[in-house]
Amino acid sequence: DAMVIQNPRYQVTQFGKPVTLSCSQTLNHNVMYWYQQKSSQAPKLLFHYYDKDFNNEADTPDNFQSRRPNTSFCFLDIRSPGLGDAAMYLCATAPGGLAKNIQYFGAGTRLSVL
Amino acid sequence: AQKVTQAQTEISVVEKEDVTLDCVYETRDTTYYLFWYKQPPSGELVFLIRRNSFDEQNEISGRYSWNFQKSTSSFNFTITASQVVDSAVYFCALSEENTDKLIFGTGTRLQVFP
Repeated sequence: DAMVIQNPRYQVTQFGKPVTLSCSQTLNHNVMYWYQQKSSQAPKLLFHYYDKDFNNEADTPDNFQSRRPNTSFCFLDIRSPGLGDAAMYLCATAPGGLAKNIQYFGAGTRLSVL
Repeated sequence: AQKVTQAQTEISVVEKEDVTLDCVYETRDTTYYLFWYKQPPSGELVFLIRRNSFDEQNEISGRYSWNFQKSTSSFNFTITASQVVDSAVYFCALSEENTDKLIFGTGTRLQVFP
């Protein structure tokens, strides 16, 4: 059974129209990550939560926001999607904030911006 | 500065051939962790292995084996008797002590033809 679930798998939005991607986990992990992956590139960390503590990467645009209402769920909000935001968005979880922890990934949401 | 280099962008082999994916890393930390992930066409990153910097023992898991050499800062991955199902993008990643972030290489796309 999938332990990190992302919905939807495919999302199409219009230029400038806000969109929300969701991630849920059944692992009860403390840490949840959001990555952006563009075609033929490595995943790029946008931000992550350690419990309710939000950690933003320095180069993540303000257009990207996140919410974590509880341990199980985390949302990625793109306030005004541009064409350059079309990408695969990956959610991952880990049991704690240690270097050795394995990150477990969801299947991703592929976002298209028209 | 920390960095992971996967110099091979794409490799094509015929089924049953052995193939080695290279990974070279840079870090100033003495304690760190190395990972390999597989990303099939479906998109989900699947964890394959984790190695810590103090454990240079090579590992074999079925058709997969990993060669960790600190002297050359390399953590190479070999698939023996490749199969079509091995076709995917493979990412090598580094996690340094006191951080819970993964630094990914740019990935190697492996295509196994029947």
